[in-house]
Amino acid sequence: GAVVSQHPSRVICKSGTSVKIECRSLDFQATTMFWYRQFPKQSLMLMATSNEGSKATYEQGVEKDKFLINHASLTLSTLTVTSAHPEDSSFYICSGSQGPSNQPQHFGDGTRLSIL
Amino acid sequence: GESVGLHLPTLSVQEGDNSIINCAYSNSASDYFIWYKQESGKGPQFIIDIRSNMDKRQGQRVTVLLNKTVKHLSLQIAATQPGDSAVYFCAAKPNSGYALNFGKGTSLLVTP
Repeated sequence: GAVVSQHPSRVICKSGTSVKIECRSLDFQATTMFWYRQFPKQSLMLMATSNEGSKATYEQGVEKDKFLINHASLTLSTLTVTSAHPEDSSFYICSGSQGPSNQPQHFGDGTRLSIL
Repeated sequence: GESVGLHLPTLSVQEGDNSIINCAYSNSASDYFIWYKQESGKGPQFIIDIRSNMDKRQGQRVTVLLNKTVKHLSLQIAATQPGDSAVYFCAAKPNSGYALNFGKGTSLLVTP
């Protein structure tokens, strides 16, 4: 149980393109979803936290106009990287949590974004 | 602020041996801890968690130990198998909010 599906798994696109990544909780309702970024051989860096139906809370240094997050339902959150540039190339991972804060986050399998 | 770190960046063990991965945290207000396993090109996979009112929790072949006095967390894997080769992250959550603070990760390599 507690499966999170992330799509697409890999994106290669030209600089200036906007890219949307979907994160779905398949068998639970994710009242809170999280978006992370991970560079090679490094840990996960939290970008933003979103609760269903409300605006996302972004971590310091993360541009909210650059990384648009929508959490429209209890099973779907999307991250749109707007006007992506090569420095945005990274591994983006989402996770969902069922509710009370002392519940584990369940992660998707990530999206490898490569901007040419 | 929160600081979660791992004592060893890499760990090599022989198949069948027990593995111990360590983690230190700095925020004494952390009340929930999780170990994740991440295989190459995949997202972290939940292994086991422990709350601050416990000092030990066991799962299938895994045990997590929590020492709140020295703010130390460990993951023990019994009879390590090749499929256990991955990067292991500890994560800590303070007693307010939902965000997890991740450690740097330990790469576990199981040799035959």
